[in-house]
Amino acid sequence: AQSVAQPEDQVNVAEGNPLTVKCTYSVSGNPYLFWYVQYPNRGLQFLLKYITGDNLVKGSYGFEAEFNKSQTSFHLKKPSARVSDSAWYFCAVSPTGGGNKLTFGTGTQLKVEL
Amino acid sequence: DTGVSQDPRHKITKRGQNVTFRCDPISEHNRLYWYRQTLGQGPEFLTYFQNEAQLEKSRLLSDRFSAERPKGSFSTLEIQRTEQGDSAMYLCASSLSGGGGGSNQPQHFGDGTRLSIL
Repeated sequence: AQSVAQPEDQVNVAEGNPLTVKCTYSVSGNPYLFWYVQYPNRGLQFLLKYITGDNLVKGSYGFEAEFNKSQTSFHLKKPSARVSDSAWYFCAVSPTGGGNKLTFGTGTQLKVEL
Repeated sequence: DTGVSQDPRHKITKRGQNVTFRCDPISEHNRLYWYRQTLGQGPEFLTYFQNEAQLEKSRLLSDRFSAERPKGSFSTLEIQRTEQGDSAMYLCASSLSGGGGGSNQPQHFGDGTRLSIL
């Protein structure tokens, strides 16, 4: 069975500083990995995905994520946080070679303060 | 760009009543998914369709839950004899099918239907 862990319930960062939201995963075989953002009373918005290839993936709104196979991690990063980035962030995994459901982590609430 | 549309956005009902939600996916997407999200948690997979065929169902989907996608376009999720534990946000997502049998295409989510059971 596949699983995702987001060890931090909340991350606080000052505007303009770099941010990191952590994610580790467990899956049989090679993973497909995704990050989504959720604003209050809204659905999830796709940010970026890792399928194969370059370990550094760039996505929407200046976000990027680094895939590390040996550490089974897929941390989300942004060089300079903005107040408008404040939201919940969810990491998700899907196995390759069959199976189409996404398994999500419990989420991390990002708060960017002035 | 028309995204995934869900109706209604909010539903309040009494315990024991039946409810039905509708999802209209992005038009060219052949896959449609249902998830359930409770407060402070990530979405949990319920079921998914490829065109009109329901290909996978979670153990979370009890006999009181049924989903259909009759013409491979919109989908409905019905909950019969609702219980307090059914209170949640019900999210619909759609995607294109990826190559190789896996889910390498991003799923695009609607804004959900929030169900409250009195």
